[in-house]
Amino acid sequence: EAQVTQNPRYLITVTGKKLTVTCSQNMNHEYMSWYRQDPGLGLRQIYYSMNVEVTDKGDVPEGYKVSRKEKRNFPLILESPSPNQTSLYFCASSLYGSHSPLHFGNGTRLTVT
Amino acid sequence: QKEVEQDPGPLSVPEGAIVSLNCTYSNSAFQYFMWYRQYSRKGPELLMYTYSSGNKEDGRFTAQVDKSSKYISLFIRDSQPSDSATYLCAMTKNTGNQFYFGTGTSLTVIP
Repeated sequence: EAQVTQNPRYLITVTGKKLTVTCSQNMNHEYMSWYRQDPGLGLRQIYYSMNVEVTDKGDVPEGYKVSRKEKRNFPLILESPSPNQTSLYFCASSLYGSHSPLHFGNGTRLTVT
Repeated sequence: QKEVEQDPGPLSVPEGAIVSLNCTYSNSAFQYFMWYRQYSRKGPELLMYTYSSGNKEDGRFTAQVDKSSKYISLFIRDSQPSDSATYLCAMTKNTGNQFYFGTGTSLTVIP
């Protein structure tokens, strides 16, 4: 089944403790992206990648890192999480970037205390 | 001003009604238009994908793009309780690699 898989689905952590959220897609998509979704603010893009080893900042990149060492994987790294990073995170991919639709994972709900 | 505006609702309709969901945008460079449905605690699911102006129909769903008015719509015919969800519009330009989303409209279909 074609899908975007994120793990974990739920994560509770403390301020400053490094964490990684994994994302993998099995559709051979070129483009992958991370979003956070907050009430009233909608989806905001954190980082995106058009290809292996190519990443670019979105609208809210501060406090996040990403890497794209393989085409199928695009992990999101929070080196020192803070409470304002408590949010619902989505990974998404598309075949050709903005010229094809995004397909989303089921989300990771992160709570930072 | 946001580039994509969407009324957050909430919108509540009786089962069987025709639902109209809308987004407006300010940048004439937008060329590709999408509608997503998002159930609670799930990721957005692609419903419709259209290029430039015109209508596209898929089952009970019709997407309409009016580029002259910078206005897109999603119509749901014979609405069902299972259509209760948040609906997000999204759009992209011919250049660049960013997707622009509305904030979503919450819809409840009452049996």
